[in-house]
Amino acid sequence: EILLTQSPDFQSVTPKEKVTITCRASQNIGSTLHWYQQKPDQSPKVLVKYASQSISGVPSRFSGSGSGTDFTLTINSLEAEDAAAYYCHQSSSLPITFGQGTRLEIK
Amino acid sequence: EVQLVESGGVLVQPGGSLRLSCAASGFTFSNYWMTWVRQAPGKGLEWVANIMQDGSEKYYVDSVKGRFTISRDNAENSLYLQMNSLRAEDTAVYYCVRPFSGWSWFDYWGQGTLVTVSS
Repeated sequence: EILLTQSPDFQSVTPKEKVTITCRASQNIGSTLHWYQQKPDQSPKVLVKYASQSISGVPSRFSGSGSGTDFTLTINSLEAEDAAAYYCHQSSSLPITFGQGTRLEIK
Repeated sequence: EVQLVESGGVLVQPGGSLRLSCAASGFTFSNYWMTWVRQAPGKGLEWVANIMQDGSEKYYVDSVKGRFTISRDNAENSLYLQMNSLRAEDTAVYYCVRPFSGWSWFDYWGQGTLVTVSS
């Protein structure tokens, strides 16, 4: 099983700040890493597919990078509406796994 | 518009059984793998099961193998999860999810249905 470890678990940030969330895989998964945002009482929504590919309709301040075992989600110029939990997800092999999540609080 | 609408979540006693349903619309259901993902209260996301387009291949997380069965009815555009021998740790919101292809990234999620296992 591929373990995904996100850091940090929690971060309190101010609007317009730049935020970086990392996801480390326990083995090489190439670019089969995807990022989701989940706001309170909502279903998750995809932000980035295949490590760095953008998703139509997702604001351009969200971007992803990385390959192999180390991945990053970057949020440029954070907005109040970005308060949410963020999860990485690998589709390289079964069982499909998710990171434990990173909760962003907006000050 | 793609829609995934789950139903069937209730309060059930440990050891009990439950069948979740997901009604799909807005896309050709029979062309897609489908997935169940769950989220325990206040916790993260956990993949539960996948099923191939024609139902011939099914995969499960170890913790539900032998207890849960994923199935589908392409004529009814419906996905199911039969849950037997339920445990307290199965308490979660269960999401019906559509992978973009195979078991790749998830492009559509239902609103979820809450299963509570408690005496």
